[in-house]
Amino acid sequence: EAQVTQNPRYLITVTGKKLTVTCSQNMNHEYMSWYRQDPGLGLRQIYYSMNVEVTDKGDVPEGYKVSRKEKRNFPLILESPSPNQTSLYFCASSRSGPPLHFGNGTRLTVT
Amino acid sequence: RKEVEQDPGPFNVPEGATVAFNCTYSNSASQSFFWYRQDCRKEPKLLMSVYSSGNEDGRFTAQLNRASQYISLLIRDSKLSDSATYLCVVNGEAGTALIFGKGTTLSVSS
Repeated sequence: EAQVTQNPRYLITVTGKKLTVTCSQNMNHEYMSWYRQDPGLGLRQIYYSMNVEVTDKGDVPEGYKVSRKEKRNFPLILESPSPNQTSLYFCASSRSGPPLHFGNGTRLTVT
Repeated sequence: RKEVEQDPGPFNVPEGATVAFNCTYSNSASQSFFWYRQDCRKEPKLLMSVYSSGNEDGRFTAQLNRASQYISLLIRDSKLSDSATYLCVVNGEAGTALIFGKGTTLSVSS
C-alpha cells in the first residue's frame, strides 16, 4: 500500500529535550516536505526536499532541522523544542511537485 | 500580504443543498491549483486539481479564473459526509512550494 508514515503519532515532551519525528514514504517520491498546522494559521511549510541531499527552508524553518540521506526518509529534528512548537505536524511527499500525499500527522506538545 | 485567502465559514447547509467556495490568490504567476479536504484535524487529502478550462468530478466542480485570480469549488447535492474543511492550495513563488489557504469549514446537516 502506497503511504507516508510518520512516527510517533503523539508526543509530549519538555522544553529543551531534543526530539526527532520520522517520516518515511514507499512511493519512491523525490519531493518531501514538512508542515505544521495551527488553529487560525492553516498549514505552513517548514522545510522541503527536492531529492536526496537537497533541502530548502519553507516559510517557518526556525527551530527545526531536516536531513535527506535516503530518498524514502525525511526526519524532522527539533534540537531544543520550545512551547511555541506545540503543533500538529504533517509530512508529505510527491513525485516531483503537487499533488501531495500526506502522512497521518504527529501531534506534539512541548511543556 | 495574504497569498491565498478563503472565507473560513462555517458554511452550514442542509442535505441536498448546493454550496460554493471561493479562494483568491495573490501570485499571478501561479500555475498549479488544488482543492484538498481535511476531516477533524486528520491529514489533508487531495479532492481535485483545478484546470484552466474547469473540471468536474461527480458532484464537485472546480473552476479557475486567472484574470481575477480566484478558484472556486461547487458542491451539488450535499451529503452529510461532505462535512469537512476544504483547503485551497496554490503553488508559490518557488515552483513546488505550495501555499495553503486556511480552509473553509462546511457542515451539512440532515
